[in-house]
Amino acid sequence: EPEVTQTPSHQVTQMGQEVILRCVPISNHLYFYWYRQILGQKVEFLVSFYNNEISEKSEIFDDQFSVERPDGSNFTLKIRSTKLEDSAMYFCASSVTRGLWETNYGYTFGSGTRLTVV
Amino acid sequence: EDKVVQSPLSLVVHEGDTVTLNCSYEVTNFRSLLWYKQEKKAPTFLFMLTSSGIEKKSGRLSSILDKKELFSILNITATQTGDSAVYLCAVEASYNNNDMRFGAGTRLTVKP
Repeated sequence: EPEVTQTPSHQVTQMGQEVILRCVPISNHLYFYWYRQILGQKVEFLVSFYNNEISEKSEIFDDQFSVERPDGSNFTLKIRSTKLEDSAMYFCASSVTRGLWETNYGYTFGSGTRLTVV
Repeated sequence: EDKVVQSPLSLVVHEGDTVTLNCSYEVTNFRSLLWYKQEKKAPTFLFMLTSSGIEKKSGRLSSILDKKELFSILNITATQTGDSAVYLCAVEASYNNNDMRFGAGTRLTVKP
């Protein structure tokens, strides 16, 4: 079964450093998302991406964050200058279509990257 | 502000019990409601509900949506220890807001 692949599974970084989280979405999916989950808290939307541009972003996704699809397969999330409060599990997800009402499959999530900022 | 509220926050049952998990929502321009199961890491998709009153079923799990009262329930019958997980409810808003809003989840523990 197709899956969304995320690397690395765990990253430890020092405060102020830049990190890049990588994702390979399912190949025929067109919409890509980043979510994060701070330990013990709810899953929060960060950003969605379609046709090589951001289509929606939340208030969490400030100027320190950026996303890119540098080639036909990878989808990356960059945090420019990490803060302690960026420590979380970051999930990448992809979907076939924008409107989920057109499908019955929901989003497919990757296994996540646990980011620890020290 | 859009809200998705799940209850209870946690639940401990014994194998064989039936459980009902609740999700209520207040979302502008509701589109669909989704249930996910989160074990160790990534949420895995269970159901997507768009129409009121139509039950979706998969094995021992079933779910239904009430768009008038703005809630959904997820039922698990004959629970097994493998059902232990956090169950997440998420709501998709209008076509222009293609992000999902998640509830805080219900942590279900099924004891042998």
